Amino acid sequence: NAGVTQTPKFRILKIGQSMTLQCTQDMNHNYMYWYRQDPGMGLKLIYYSVGAGITDKGEVPNGYNVSRSTTEDFPLRLELAAPSQTSVYFCASRAGGANEKLFFGSGTQLSVL
Amino acid sequence: DQQVKQNSPSLSVQEGRISILNCDYTNSMFDYFLWYKKYPAEGPTFLISISSIKDKNEDGRFTVFLNKSAKHLSLHIVPSQPGDSAVYFCAPYTGTASKLTFGTGTRLQVTL
Repeated sequence: NAGVTQTPKFRILKIGQSMTLQCTQDMNHNYMYWYRQDPGMGLKLIYYSVGAGITDKGEVPNGYNVSRSTTEDFPLRLELAAPSQTSVYFCASRAGGANEKLFFGSGTQLSVL
Repeated sequence: DQQVKQNSPSLSVQEGRISILNCDYTNSMFDYFLWYKKYPAEGPTFLISISSIKDKNEDGRFTVFLNKSAKHLSLHIVPSQPGDSAVYFCAPYTGTASKLTFGTGTRLQVTL
C-alpha cells in the first residue's frame, strides 16, 4: 500500500542546474498537488492538477513547471535552480470529492548552493 | 492575501493537560476544515476534519470546534501526550474548490 511516493528524498543542486522531482500515487486520485515548506513556514502551493492533461498555478509557481500525462504521475521541474528554491517539497493527492482528505508523500529536501 | 492564519507559531503544554490550537480564516465560503499533523522529516498526515454544518467534531482525544460567525476554529487535545509534539496545520477549503490552502502551522511541544 504505497500511497504517494516521492523521489529523491534528498538532493543538492548547484545554481543554474535543472532537475525533476518525481511523484507517483497508486490510489487513482484525480487531484494532485505540489507544495513547498520553507524553514519555520507553512505549506505553500506551487502547482496542482485536477486530472491528466490539466494543470494550474498555485501561490508560488515561478521557477517551476509541471506536467500530468497520466493519472498516477505528477513531476515537478526546476529549470534554473536558485538558492531561493532551497526548501522541502511535498507532493500530495486526493480523490476530489467534498471533504476528501489530502494524502502526502514523505517529501524531498532540496538545497541549492 | 493570507486567508488562513494560525497566530501562535508555538505552544508548550505539560503532559496530561489540554492543548488548544487556533486557526482564523477570512473566506466565508469555506465549508470543510481539515487539521493535519506533521512530524520532522515526514509528510503531513490527516488528523481530523469538520464540516461547516457542524460546530463540533470529536475523535478520541481530539476535538475540533468551529465558530462560523467568528471565522475561527480550534483543535483541542485532551489529555496531551509527548507523542503529540508536532507541527499542526489547519486547511479550510470549499467543497467545489481544487486548491487547499494551509495555515502557517503551530508547533506543539508536550513536556513531561
